[in-house]
Amino acid sequence: EVQLLESGGGLEQPGGSLRLSCVASGFTFSSYAMSWVRQAPGQGLEWVSGISGSGGSTFYADSVKGRFTVSRDNPKNILSLQMNSLRTDDTAVYYCAKDVTSSVIPPRNGMDVWGQGTTVTVSS
Amino acid sequence: QSALTQPASVSGSPGQSITISCTGTSSDVGGYNFVSWYQQHPGKAPKLMIYDVSNRPSGVSNRFSGSKSGNTASLIISGLQAGDEADYYCSSFTSSNTRVFGGGTKLTVL
Repeated sequence: EVQLLESGGGLEQPGGSLRLSCVASGFTFSSYAMSWVRQAPGQGLEWVSGISGSGGSTFYADSVKGRFTVSRDNPKNILSLQMNSLRTDDTAVYYCAKDVTSSVIPPRNGMDVWGQGTTVTVSS
Repeated sequence: QSALTQPASVSGSPGQSITISCTGTSSDVGGYNFVSWYQQHPGKAPKLMIYDVSNRPSGVSNRFSGSKSGNTASLIISGLQAGDEADYYCSSFTSSNTRVFGGGTKLTVL
């Protein structure tokens, strides 16, 4: 079964850091671009970041550029999001998601597998 | 990157058809055939319903279809069912090599 499982969320103070992880199973992880998408409480979806299958190309929303870093460990099937200089408006459920089409750079087609999400709360 | 524009809500009766629009610009929706649609039930993760404007992933009912004209994409749901009641989001690839979502549309089945 194709599955994504996020972890690493929690409560952090403004200016702090958190590292999210997403463990993938059931598919050839290195063949697919991956993305992080977040959803603030009661709000819509916001694309945060994407990374190519090899990890050699990364992409960010303007709202997180320079503060967040996406990476992947293909042998371990793990996608990560390092979040620094956290702000209160980073509070959200963070989902990792797999692209529907393999070997596409930049990721663009659609995201067909999603994790259950991990909650990040930034508050003093 | 500004969010794509969707109606806040739409409604329809069981068996009817509804259309949800998604308006962007020539830098996103109008410039690429990379529009996708997602269904989200409360407290659940989003589910891909349409990708590349009109392609359905395996397992998605053929009651769901997509199209695009200029800077506006559309999701059409025919034969409305109670289980279709959910939030729907469009998304597009952009000229900045990023993705942008719409604000979401709440579908109510009357």
